Amino acid sequence: DGGITQSPKYLFRKEGQNVTLSCEQNLNHDAMYWYRQDPGQGLRLIYYSQIVNDFQKGDIAEGYSVSREKKESFPLTVTSAQKNPTAFYLCASSIESEGLAGYTFGSGTRLTVV
Amino acid sequence: KQEVTQIPAALSVPEGENLVLNCSFTDSAIYNLQWFRQDPGKGLTSLLLIQSSQREQTSGRLNASLDKSSGRSTLYIAASQPGDSATYLCAPNLRDYKLSFGAGTTVTVRA
Repeated sequence: DGGITQSPKYLFRKEGQNVTLSCEQNLNHDAMYWYRQDPGQGLRLIYYSQIVNDFQKGDIAEGYSVSREKKESFPLTVTSAQKNPTAFYLCASSIESEGLAGYTFGSGTRLTVV
Repeated sequence: KQEVTQIPAALSVPEGENLVLNCSFTDSAIYNLQWFRQDPGKGLTSLLLIQSSQREQTSGRLNASLDKSSGRSTLYIAASQPGDSATYLCAPNLRDYKLSFGAGTTVTVRA
């Protein structure tokens, strides 16, 4: 079955440490996204990528970095510059062709600072 | 920037009642609108996608209507069940790669 796989499900980060969240899709979607979700708040866009080797900042990109070397993969690195990284992170992909289905989401990674 | 409002923020009903969830958005130039379901600690599951040219879309007990010109969509869930308990999110798509979400409506269906 096609879908999006996020790993790990839970991640713990020490102060000053960089961590990378994995996102892989086998839907052949061109666009991929990273969202952050905090308790009681809506989803906020961190980064998005329309095609391979190209990505754009979303609303809250500070302290995060991404790469898009393959169509299937869009890893997110949470750097030490992100002062409040504890949150639930969701990866998504989409197809923008006329009449086709919209966004598909992964099952998320919960990041906690210890 | 698209602003999305969902009303009510929370809803608690006895099993068997019909549910009405409202979504309003400020920019009506949407390409489509998606309704999602989120269970606690889980990702988003797509329920319905309604194209801008459509007035409604149905899947089983779910029906979504769209009034694009007034910036509104409504999700109806018929004959609610305890398994329908979740947070429901609407997302109008401007096709600008910056999908915006409402804060959601948290539904509790009491057995």
